[in-house]
Amino acid sequence: KAGVTQTPRYLIKTRGQQVTLSCSPISGHRSVSWYQQTPGQGLQFLFEYFSETQRNKGNFPGRFSGRQFSNSRSEMNVSTLELGDSALYLCASSLEPSGSNEQFFGPGTRLTVL
Amino acid sequence: AQRVTQPEKLLSVFKGAPVELKCNYSYSGSPELFWYVQYSRQRLQLLLRHISRESIKGFTADLNKGETSFHLKKPFAQEEDSAMYYCALKRQAGTALIFGKGTTLSVSS
Repeated sequence: KAGVTQTPRYLIKTRGQQVTLSCSPISGHRSVSWYQQTPGQGLQFLFEYFSETQRNKGNFPGRFSGRQFSNSRSEMNVSTLELGDSALYLCASSLEPSGSNEQFFGPGTRLTVL
Repeated sequence: AQRVTQPEKLLSVFKGAPVELKCNYSYSGSPELFWYVQYSRQRLQLLLRHISRESIKGFTADLNKGETSFHLKKPFAQEEDSAMYYCALKRQAGTALIFGKGTTLSVSS
């Protein structure tokens, strides 16, 4: 079974631009969560999707948004990029939004904002 | 507020020594806690969860509600245990996790 895939793996943008990151969950998994990982703040929850609906959202500004498609694939978008948005963005999938379900993480997308 | 604290950024031990990675949490209600591990150049992966009460790769963790702790222990460290370890708490709804800032475990011979 293929793992969680994320594209692109690396991205360089400049301040003010916008970016879209993609996540394909493990086949059969319907829940997708996104996290931002930085050296200073560690791993922080961004949002969680299930059945194309956002179920939870972390404490991030409205510039961060996401969506999930009918095939469970998910995208996240960051508009008006700031230097502080430079981070590793991780996607995780699980079968369903039940706490006992293990989350499987992708390799991440490394975003650098210049 | 829900919070996870890992007080040690780095823990260095010799091979064969006991290991204890500390994790404290803040949560109102019945917590669900996990340990995740990230080996060099690999993905973040689940190591163990408190509800399973299992031992994985020789590691165990016991939930102590009185001390609000979920420390990870291994009696004899191996070099292949060197990695970054994250303690995580499930948020009250859904699958999303609150992570601690992680502890780097370095095991040397």
